[in-house]
Amino acid sequence: GAGVSQTPSNKVTEKGKYVELRCDPISGHTALYWYRQSLGQGPEFLIYFQGTGAADDSGLPNDRFFAVRPEGSVSTLKIQRTERGDSAVYLCASSFGLGQTQYFGPGTRLLVL
Amino acid sequence: DQQVKQNSPSLSVQEGRISILNCDYTNSMFDYFLWYKKYPAEGPTFLISISSIKDKNEDGRFTVFLNKSAKHLSLHIVPSQPGDSAVYFCAASESSGSARQLTFGSGTQLTVLP
Repeated sequence: GAGVSQTPSNKVTEKGKYVELRCDPISGHTALYWYRQSLGQGPEFLIYFQGTGAADDSGLPNDRFFAVRPEGSVSTLKIQRTERGDSAVYLCASSFGLGQTQYFGPGTRLLVL
Repeated sequence: DQQVKQNSPSLSVQEGRISILNCDYTNSMFDYFLWYKKYPAEGPTFLISISSIKDKNEDGRFTVFLNKSAKHLSLHIVPSQPGDSAVYFCAASESSGSARQLTFGSGTQLTVLP
């Protein structure tokens, strides 16, 4: 079966631009997570969805970051007015339910010039 | 303030020998621990997990040990194979947390030499 997919795999943008990163979770998984991994670090939690609603967005660094999951499946992470410090790998994970093992996608490598 | 620490950024082991990767945590609320393996340009792949009610969990060549009093866990790989060469991340979560988000260590690069 298909795993978690993320598009695009790579994104290069200029400082100040808007970007959208997409995540398609494993079919049937109700929980969806976004993480950000900077060079030499482990992934850091950003936001979690259970169904359509953002159950916990405490990891979002500031109000330039926003994520949606309108139909409880595909999710989009949106970053406004990108900054060079936003450059990182953005990882999406899904799980069958709360507390279940999280399965990660390959990530989107974002580079802000 | 890192709640999950992997103090060894790298480890080299000869093929066939045992690899031991270590992880320490500071948050006493963590009660579920996982190890993920990551190859370059791929996302982390789940390897093995352990609940705080256990002190050992084994799956084939992989065994995770948990020492709650020391807030320490380790991953043993035996025998090590060249295909095991990857970055290994330790992660932890709280069952009482609403999101069950994972808190990761910074990873250990394992190199298994043929």
